[in-house]
Amino acid sequence: GESVGLHLPTLSVQEGDNSIINCAYSNSASDYFIWYKQESGKGPQFIIDIRSNMDKRQGQRVTVLLNKTVKHLSLQIAATQPGDSAVYFCAEKKTGRRALTFGSGTRLQVQP
Amino acid sequence: AAGVIQSPRHLIKEKRETATLKCYPIPRHDTVYWYQQGPGQDPQFLISFYEKMQSDKGSIPDRFSAQQFSDYHSELNMSSLELGDSALYFCASSLVPDTLSGNTIYFGEGSWLTVV
Repeated sequence: GESVGLHLPTLSVQEGDNSIINCAYSNSASDYFIWYKQESGKGPQFIIDIRSNMDKRQGQRVTVLLNKTVKHLSLQIAATQPGDSAVYFCAEKKTGRRALTFGSGTRLQVQP
Repeated sequence: AAGVIQSPRHLIKEKRETATLKCYPIPRHDTVYWYQQGPGQDPQFLISFYEKMQSDKGSIPDRFSAQQFSDYHSELNMSSLELGDSALYFCASSLVPDTLSGNTIYFGEGSWLTVV
C-alpha cells in the first residue's frame, strides 16, 4: 500500500505487504531527516534517519528515500506486521538549528 | 539503555493554575527539547537548550518558561493555564557535535497535562 503525500491520513495494508509512507517537507535548506513511529499515548520512537547528502538508507525492514529535487521523503516498510500499526511522522532539521520540525502524521493500520 | 525520563506522567490542573514538568535527558546528552502535542496533532516544537543555554525557540507561549540546570535536567514551567494547554508534552534529548550536523533526537514518553 502507498499513501499520497500526507493528505491521506490513514494507510491500511495487509499483513505481509510492503508499506510506503510519503512526506513532502517544506524547507530546501533542511539537512537532516528522521522518521518516527508513535503508538497511542507514547512518545515518538526513532525508526531511521538520513542526511541530505544521501538519497537512500536502509535499516532492518525499513528504507528511507530522499528526493531533494522535489523535497520528498518516503519510508518503506517491508513485510508489514501488526506491530507496525502506529502513526508515522517525518521530521526535518533545518540547517543551523538543532530542533526538528514535524510533518503531519500518517496512521498505518495493518490488517491481519 | 537509559531513556529520557519525564515526570509527572499525568497532571490535572485548573484554569489559571501553574504546572511544572521535569525532564531528565539520556546520560551525556547535552541538548534538551520540549514539544507540545495536542490530540490528533503533530508535535510542535516549543524550546530547546544546549549546555544550559537556550538554543532554539519555537511556538512557546509567553506564559511558559523553561530552563536547563547544571545536571542537564530541564523544567518547563507553565503559568496561567488555559484549557487549550491540555496536551501531551514531550521532552527529547540529543548529543550535538560542534558542526550542528544531524544527530538522533530521542523522546521521552511524555507528560499528559489536563486543564479543567
